[in-house]
Amino acid sequence: QKEVEQDPGPLSVPEGAIVSLNCTYSNSAFQYFMWYRQYSRKGPELLMYTYSSGNKEDGRFTAQVDKSSKYISLFIRDSQPSDSATYLCAMSAGGTSYGKLTFGQGTILTVHP
Amino acid sequence: SQTIHQWPATLVQPVGSPLSLECTVEGTSNPNLYWYRQAAGRGLQLLFYSVGIGQISSEVPQNLSASRPQDRQFILSSKKLLLSDSGFYLCAWSVTGELFFGEGSRLTVL
Repeated sequence: QKEVEQDPGPLSVPEGAIVSLNCTYSNSAFQYFMWYRQYSRKGPELLMYTYSSGNKEDGRFTAQVDKSSKYISLFIRDSQPSDSATYLCAMSAGGTSYGKLTFGQGTILTVHP
Repeated sequence: SQTIHQWPATLVQPVGSPLSLECTVEGTSNPNLYWYRQAAGRGLQLLFYSVGIGQISSEVPQNLSASRPQDRQFILSSKKLLLSDSGFYLCAWSVTGELFFGEGSRLTVL
């Protein structure tokens, strides 16, 4: 079993839809949770960075962490064609391991006009 | 603001040839530096990380090595490339816990 599971999709939605992206994990030591957006042939771009359980909102993006269920989500409101990319969840135990991330496989998202 | 540069962006190398990928970070001091690899259809895998000059930790046994000759410079090397070394190599830096990636170097070994 992988430490981090992420449905690779692909996911296709119409412009303006609400998108829900999810990851599950098995390592209880994970404390820091991140979402990255990666355009084709580019490096990943950090979208959201959260610690512990709860919600965090930034513009059209909301990150949700449920540590009791070992489940994290990213919601995109009013999705745009420019949101079409691969979305990667990542997590770490923090402390001296804070840059040592375990990634999900990534979900390919297409938002069509 | 901080920036990270990687080069070359793309390279095609024959099996058995050497490799050198370079990464530099600007606008910050004493960052932690990382090399990740992204193989086709797979997530990112941590290869090496460094907390300071000359300090390298390897996460997976492999044909590659890393060095940090200066505070903001990180180099990934190989003496003899294998077909399995093909992939997208990403340098990253961190100071406060958030990890920021460069644009990547795409390596094809033929």
